[in-house]
Amino acid sequence: NAGVTQTPKFQVLKTGQSMTLQCAQDMNHEYMSWYRQDPGMGLRLIHYSVGAGITDQGEVPNGYNVSRSTTEDFPLRLLSAAPSQTSVYFCASSPRRRTNTGELFFGEGSRLTVL
Amino acid sequence: KNEVEQSPQNLTAQEGEFITINCSYSVGISALHWLQQHPGGGIVSLFMLSSGKKKHGRLIATINIQEKHSSLHITASHPRDSAVYICAVRPTGGATNKLIFGTGTLLAVQP
Repeated sequence: NAGVTQTPKFQVLKTGQSMTLQCAQDMNHEYMSWYRQDPGMGLRLIHYSVGAGITDQGEVPNGYNVSRSTTEDFPLRLLSAAPSQTSVYFCASSPRRRTNTGELFFGEGSRLTVL
Repeated sequence: KNEVEQSPQNLTAQEGEFITINCSYSVGISALHWLQQHPGGGIVSLFMLSSGKKKHGRLIATINIQEKHSSLHITASHPRDSAVYICAVRPTGGATNKLIFGTGTLLAVQP
């Protein structure tokens, strides 16, 4: 059981380049989210989705784009990378159940450096 | 002021000690999560609480909704417990996965 898979684990970009961070989960979870983690700050929500075809902005959405065409995949696109987007990115998923026990499942993280 | 505050920020303990990490929040919530992150590693969900107390092995989590406070306790601490412990809350009325995170407590357990 793979859980939440993020790729790539490491990436170096130049300012202005675009790229996509991939996130896939094989647990049929409805909820998926993208966070960034910066030193001295808590995880901050970038975008989230409550199901296929539904996405919404989180706390820090500027410069990022998402789509949710399938339940399994939730890619995060950086449209024009900036040094301020240097961070560690985490994808997370959780199930929607009537008696949601609230398990959160995180990917291993993607470390992005923008030069 | 952050909506979720953790204390202490750093904690060093000797193996076998009883450890308490605190989380206070300023918003109404429907749930609170405790997470564990090992250095350079991924994030693992430990507990989700909406009331009372939960126990898993040597870990105990409590929450007092009226006081807007939660604690994570580790009994008989071990060096493998060394990690960052993160508190996250789900504000009332928010989406299940729209969470606000604390900055974490870095725990080092020395043998």
